[in-house]
Amino acid sequence: AQSVTQLGSHVSVSEGALVLLRCNYSSSVPPYLFWYVQYPNQGLQLLLKYTTGATLVKGINGFEAEFKKSETSFHLTKPSAHMSDAAEYFCAVSEGQAGTALIFGKGTTLSVSS
Amino acid sequence: DARVTQTPRDKVTEMGQEVTMRCQPILGHNTVFWYRQTMMQGLELLAYFRNRAPLDDSGMPKDRFSAEMPDATLATLKIQPSEPRDSAVYFCASGRGRSSYEQYFGPGTRLTVT
Repeated sequence: AQSVTQLGSHVSVSEGALVLLRCNYSSSVPPYLFWYVQYPNQGLQLLLKYTTGATLVKGINGFEAEFKKSETSFHLTKPSAHMSDAAEYFCAVSEGQAGTALIFGKGTTLSVSS
Repeated sequence: DARVTQTPRDKVTEMGQEVTMRCQPILGHNTVFWYRQTMMQGLELLAYFRNRAPLDDSGMPKDRFSAEMPDATLATLKIQPSEPRDSAVYFCASGRGRSSYEQYFGPGTRLTVT
């Protein structure tokens, strides 16, 4: 069975500081990994995804994540936080086959202070 | 800009009443997912369909929940009778073909059962 663990339910950074949101996964098959962002009262928006190939993936809004198989991790980073990055972030894993559902982590709320 | 739409956006109802939530997937997407989001449980998969056929509904309480796809442009989630513990945000997501592991979420229906 697959699972996702997001370390830290709440992360606070200052504007301009590095953002690091941690995600570890468990999967018996090569995983497909995703980060989604949810702004208040909105649905989830795909930030980036890893399927195969290059392990460093870039997404929207300056975010990127690196798949590290040896560490079973897929941490999300952004070099410089902006106030508009304040939101909830979800890491998710899937088996990658067409039509399979996503397994989500519990989410990490990112706060950005000026 | 193709989007998943959901109606209603908000629903307040009394315990025991029937609730129907609707979802219009992105045109051309053949896989539809229903998720429920609560503070306690996070995002949970309720059911999903491929080409209108149910693939997995193991996440749904069978005695009160039902999900259908009357046609390719409409998915419904019904709760009868509703209970206060059903209060949550219900999200629909859709995906396409062999890439349907990449899911696009609607804005959600916020359900409050009093």
